[in-house]
Amino acid sequence: DTGVSQDPRHKITKRGQNVTFRCDPISEHNRLYWYRQTLGQGPEFLTYFQNEAQLEKSRLLSDRFSAERPKGSFSTLEIQRTEQGDSAMYLCASSLGDSEYNEQFFGPGTRLTVL
Amino acid sequence: GEDVEQSLFLSVREGDSSVINCTYTDSSSTYLYWYKQEPGAGLQLLTYIFSNMDMKQDQRLTVLLNKKDKHLSLRIADTQTGDSAIYFCAAHPPMNRDDKIIFGKGTRLHILP
Repeated sequence: DTGVSQDPRHKITKRGQNVTFRCDPISEHNRLYWYRQTLGQGPEFLTYFQNEAQLEKSRLLSDRFSAERPKGSFSTLEIQRTEQGDSAMYLCASSLGDSEYNEQFFGPGTRLTVL
Repeated sequence: GEDVEQSLFLSVREGDSSVINCTYTDSSSTYLYWYKQEPGAGLQLLTYIFSNMDMKQDQRLTVLLNKKDKHLSLRIADTQTGDSAIYFCAAHPPMNRDDKIIFGKGTRLHILP
């Protein structure tokens, strides 16, 4: 399967713990995006990368959140000192990023539950 | 910034047509999308329409765009039980300005037997 993959698919943690999620994009895709989806809402943009450069961060991405894409391939999203409000589905997407029509392909998501 | 609105629920009898409506605020949005999300699954792009088009048809799916009113609709003909899902309307600003997709809250489509 050559789609976007995310690991883990589910994560349960206690409040105050740190968690890290991984996203592997489609191999030739230059752009990688993180979105967050809470219950009953549509996905909300968090951040995106062009290769290894982080080009934009939403105001939703507090200081406790950090994302990296060190070699321009996979990306990690870390949440420090988790809070119950961080419970959500974290979606990753990737795209070629070099054309006017820039379809973003989404992974299955990582569902985070903070107890 | 862009805001996308859609009704939250729609119930349709199996075999009938479903019409899901959406409005958006940013007239410069280049692409408008319809995504489908089934329980526990990721987002599946169903179809998209470029902002200079009025209509796009793809098998059972018809997308209508009224750019003047900033209104988008998705019609699913001959609705089947497998169409039961949440449908997200989404807008994409011009890439040279922004490269994030703005989603609505989703319309939950319920199929009645």
